[in-house]
Amino acid sequence: KNEVEQSPQNLTAQEGEFITINCSYSVGISALHWLQQHPGGGIVSLFMLSSGKKKHGRLIATINIQEKHSSLHITASHPRDSAVYICAVTFGNEKLTFGTGTRLTIIP
Amino acid sequence: NAGVTQTPKFQVLKTGQSMTLQCAQDMNHNSMYWYRQDPGMGLRLIYYSASEGTTDKGEVPNGYNVSRLNKREFSLRLESAAPSQTSVYFCASKRGIGYEQYFGPGTRLTVT
Repeated sequence: KNEVEQSPQNLTAQEGEFITINCSYSVGISALHWLQQHPGGGIVSLFMLSSGKKKHGRLIATINIQEKHSSLHITASHPRDSAVYICAVTFGNEKLTFGTGTRLTIIP
Repeated sequence: NAGVTQTPKFQVLKTGQSMTLQCAQDMNHNSMYWYRQDPGMGLRLIYYSASEGTTDKGEVPNGYNVSRLNKREFSLRLESAAPSQTSVYFCASKRGIGYEQYFGPGTRLTVT
């Protein structure tokens, strides 16, 4: 059983819409990561956080430690944001456990 | 900086053949990782090396061996390839505890 659950699995939205992708995990963690995988396959780390909120450009990541939940938000979405977004956690042993990803498609 | 590089990008093997996937990083990172990615599943850890000279099994190590040749290089070997090892393989590295991971471009392996 995967200890990291993401929702939705697939998301299609119109350009300009506000996007939210959710991640929940089962036990206490030391850090949570949001990664982006483009159609070409490369994986890029977007955020690493253990509390609160981080912002980079149009991307915002939040985490609620008590509720064991994190969200990734994209404001003013654009077709170039189309990608698979992956949530991953570390449980203190520095090994990442990954969710299965959310495939986001932004339609012009 | 090239970051994390992997070779080859694509490979087709017949069942029973062997091969080595190469990974190198030029960021002076201590930790290196090998993952496989299969459709419908999250990335899964095969082996990792927390520091030069050490290696440890991950979630799915069966059928694989690794070598941390030096601080820069971490190779993954398939001694006798099986169709179940058809996958995309990613190498990653990071500086150490509490740092983010950097991923290579991946190797798409098909075993027929």
